[in-house]
Amino acid sequence: GENVEQHPSTLSVQEGDSAVIKCTYSDSASNYFPWYKQELGKGPQLIIDIRSNVGEKKDQRIAVTLNKTAKHFSLHITETQPEDSAVYFCAATFGRAGSYQLTFGKGTKLSVIP
Amino acid sequence: GAGVSQSPRYKVAKRGQDVALRCDPISGHVSLFWYQQALGQGPEFLTYFQNEAQLDKSGLPSDRFFAERPEGSVSTLKIQRTQQEDSAVYLCASSLYERRQETQYFGPGTRLLVL
Repeated sequence: GENVEQHPSTLSVQEGDSAVIKCTYSDSASNYFPWYKQELGKGPQLIIDIRSNVGEKKDQRIAVTLNKTAKHFSLHITETQPEDSAVYFCAATFGRAGSYQLTFGKGTKLSVIP
Repeated sequence: GAGVSQSPRYKVAKRGQDVALRCDPISGHVSLFWYQQALGQGPEFLTYFQNEAQLDKSGLPSDRFFAERPEGSVSTLKIQRTQQEDSAVYLCASSLYERRQETQYFGPGTRLLVL
């Protein structure tokens, strides 16, 4: 079935350094790849997304890259700040007709050390 | 405008009790999703509504789970005869249209604990 693998499961970086989280997906028909940030006790919040007609998208300190041939996409956070500490989830929508739900990775707990 | 809201935020139930969880999507959003998030895991799909029509319920784990959205806005997820394995955070999300590349906006979730 549809599957999204996410690595690493935990990541610690010094404030100001960059953080990279990688995901792979199984369905080559996938065409939408959002990234969510979830803080303790809150619902997931969209931080950036990418659609399959582009290879890279950037929004201030956050960027996402997509390699459809290899079926993987990555989140890059530059100049990390303590408030970036949270759990990050990648997700994908799959190609089954009438299927609009997201399939999520298992999450990456990012800790930014001041 | 207001985001997705869910109530209650926390629910403690004794095993065997029935529970009802409410979701108020963003006004005008056509699509509504329910997800279940176990501790330390990513959200997993339960069911999908397009307006009042439940088009996909393939993720519901058993026939004890039932969802409805009778007027195409507010939705209720009902769990009958709750079991300990039902303990999780139940997330609701809505999106403006019924397209695969549409952004889904999540509510804060209802944390269910079954004792």
